[in-house]
Amino acid sequence: AQTVTQSQPEMSVQEAETVTLSCTYDTSESDYYLFWYKQPPSRQMILVIRQEAYKQQNATENRFSVNFQKAAKSFSLKISDSQLGDAAMYFCAYRSARSGGSNYKLTFGKGTLLTVNP
Amino acid sequence: EPEVTQTPSHQVTQMGQEVILRCVPISNHLYFYWYRQILGQKVEFLVSFYNNEISEKSEIFDDQFSVERPDGSNFTLKIRSTKLEDSAMYFCASSETRSGNTIYFGEGSWLTVV
Repeated sequence: AQTVTQSQPEMSVQEAETVTLSCTYDTSESDYYLFWYKQPPSRQMILVIRQEAYKQQNATENRFSVNFQKAAKSFSLKISDSQLGDAAMYFCAYRSARSGGSNYKLTFGKGTLLTVNP
Repeated sequence: EPEVTQTPSHQVTQMGQEVILRCVPISNHLYFYWYRQILGQKVEFLVSFYNNEISEKSEIFDDQFSVERPDGSNFTLKIRSTKLEDSAMYFCASSETRSGNTIYFGEGSWLTVV
């Protein structure tokens, strides 16, 4: 079974600074998807960024980018020019790309609570 | 932008009562899910649903739970005989066809069992 580990329960960053959130995962599969979801105090789950494992290029979405290291099974999220609205719980998640079986569910890490200081 | 909608946003129920949580997935999506998040814990998969049947369920999803797609738009989660430990945020989610790879979540239904 796949597992997702977020080793940083909490992180803080100064407004306008850059912060990196860590995520590692364990899988025997070669094709899969990785996601970062943001959960603000409203508790809605908002997709931040997505990475396909077959793509070598790291995904970017405006101020958000990932460092995907497939061999190391590492998927970190970098937030540049942090804003007060970035304060939230961030979850890393894994989804298999394999046809059939349990390929449609997301497996989540425990989350990292990000605080942005003004 | 299309979104998954859930009702109610918050429900308080007496222990032992039945609860139905409702969801309207994104209209062109074919795969539907329920996830649960107990306060302070990570999000856990409950069940996935495709072509009017359960495609996968977790060990959490026992006989107390059931899902249904009663019409062309709604997707419901029924919890029978609720227990205190069922108190959690319940997220509905949906994704596109088999080739789709992103799961979109609703805003959640916060269930409090007293």
